[in-house]
Amino acid sequence: AQSVTQPDIHITVSEGASLELRCNYSYGATPYLFWYVQSPGQGLQLLLKYFSGDTLVQGIKGFEAEFKRSQSSFNLRKPSVHWSDAAEYFCAQMRWNSGGSNYKLTFGKGTLLTVNP
Amino acid sequence: EAGVAQSPRYKIIEKRQSVAFWCNPISGHATLYWYQQILGQGPKLLIQFQNNGVVDDSQLPKDRFSAERLKGVDSTLKIQPAKLEDSAVYLCASSLFSSTVSTDTQYFGPGTRLTVL
Repeated sequence: AQSVTQPDIHITVSEGASLELRCNYSYGATPYLFWYVQSPGQGLQLLLKYFSGDTLVQGIKGFEAEFKRSQSSFNLRKPSVHWSDAAEYFCAQMRWNSGGSNYKLTFGKGTLLTVNP
Repeated sequence: EAGVAQSPRYKIIEKRQSVAFWCNPISGHATLYWYQQILGQGPKLLIQFQNNGVVDDSQLPKDRFSAERLKGVDSTLKIQPAKLEDSAVYLCASSLFSSTVSTDTQYFGPGTRLTVL
């Protein structure tokens, strides 16, 4: 079964420090991968997505992610974290639903980011 | 551009009661999704509409959950009767459906937080 794994439930970093959030996917020669962020009481906001091409993807708010097929990973990075980055981050994979007629988005369980001043 | 609207934002009910949630997608978006997000989990797709037709309801507990999108625009999700395990955030999302996945970004609303006592 398709799954998306985020190994870290909770990460704490200091403001100004670098950040890397891990994500592993389990399906697909050509995976369609996303990172979303969810602030408290808010819906999910798309940070970036990867479909093909350059394996280093730039997103909004200074985030980037690198697709590594050999490691089945799509880790999210930011060189310098701001206090406003504190939120929950979700990695997701989209695939065509076999037997159906829709693309289906499957999410990991999320990583909660705390930023210390 | 207005985002996905949802109401109410919060709802507290007792078990065995019924509840309904409303969603208005981004104007022009043909595809509408309802997700359930249980605390500590990533969102899980409940049902997906393409215009006013259902394309995927494989994970909708049909004995108690129902959803409709009568005019292909806004949608309601109903739970009757509610159980304790239905406590969750219910997220609505919409997208411009295309046969090519590269344009199928999902935009999420703020969600409705349901507490069942």
